[in-house]
Amino acid sequence: ILNVEQSPQSLHVQEGDSTNFTCSFPSSNFYALHWYRWETAKSPEALFVMTLNGDEKKKGRISATLNTKEGYSYLYIKGSQPEDSATYLCAPHDGSGGGNKLTFGTGTQLKVEL
Amino acid sequence: KAGVTQTPRYLIKTRGQQVTLSCSPISGHRSVSWYQQTPGQGLQFLFEYFSETQRNKGNFPGRFSGRQFSNSRSEMNVSTLELGDSALYLCASSLLGSNTGELFFGEGSRLTVL
Repeated sequence: ILNVEQSPQSLHVQEGDSTNFTCSFPSSNFYALHWYRWETAKSPEALFVMTLNGDEKKKGRISATLNTKEGYSYLYIKGSQPEDSATYLCAPHDGSGGGNKLTFGTGTQLKVEL
Repeated sequence: KAGVTQTPRYLIKTRGQQVTLSCSPISGHRSVSWYQQTPGQGLQFLFEYFSETQRNKGNFPGRFSGRQFSNSRSEMNVSTLELGDSALYLCASSLLGSNTGELFFGEGSRLTVL
């Protein structure tokens, strides 16, 4: 069972602020890292799937970096907007069992206020 | 393109009963995974099916079971319900069926056990 930690647990920011969250995971047997955004009353939605050490991915104002050697990933949101309010989940995959057996962290709950 | 469809969306059962939840994946997706979320817990992996075969199983008692049909639709069953089974059950489908393919989630089935 992978030990996945996300910090902070929750975050309140003002509209326009930039923010970042951390996902920590065991660096051994790393295979892939998933990031998902989960808005209230909706389904979790994939943001990124990252596999390479040093990889950086971007989608609009959201970007993520990956350090597989030290076992962490950062998610950045530039110029937060109220619609960014959601829980952000990370899920590493250690390659065991193949397939889509992801271990999710408990998430970072972001609230963007006007 | 239709998304992942889960039925029923809400249901109430009493202890000792059994329940069956259904999931229709996105057309063409052969991998279907099930996750449970309870308050304060992250998404917990239940099992994954690929081409009608259970490929991975999480750490849940044998009361939790599932299957996948030839059209990739999946069902999960929980027998002898306990209060602690009250949760949101999410189904996710994936095109690649590998750990680098993003998951597409349904809106979930919210089960309340009284």
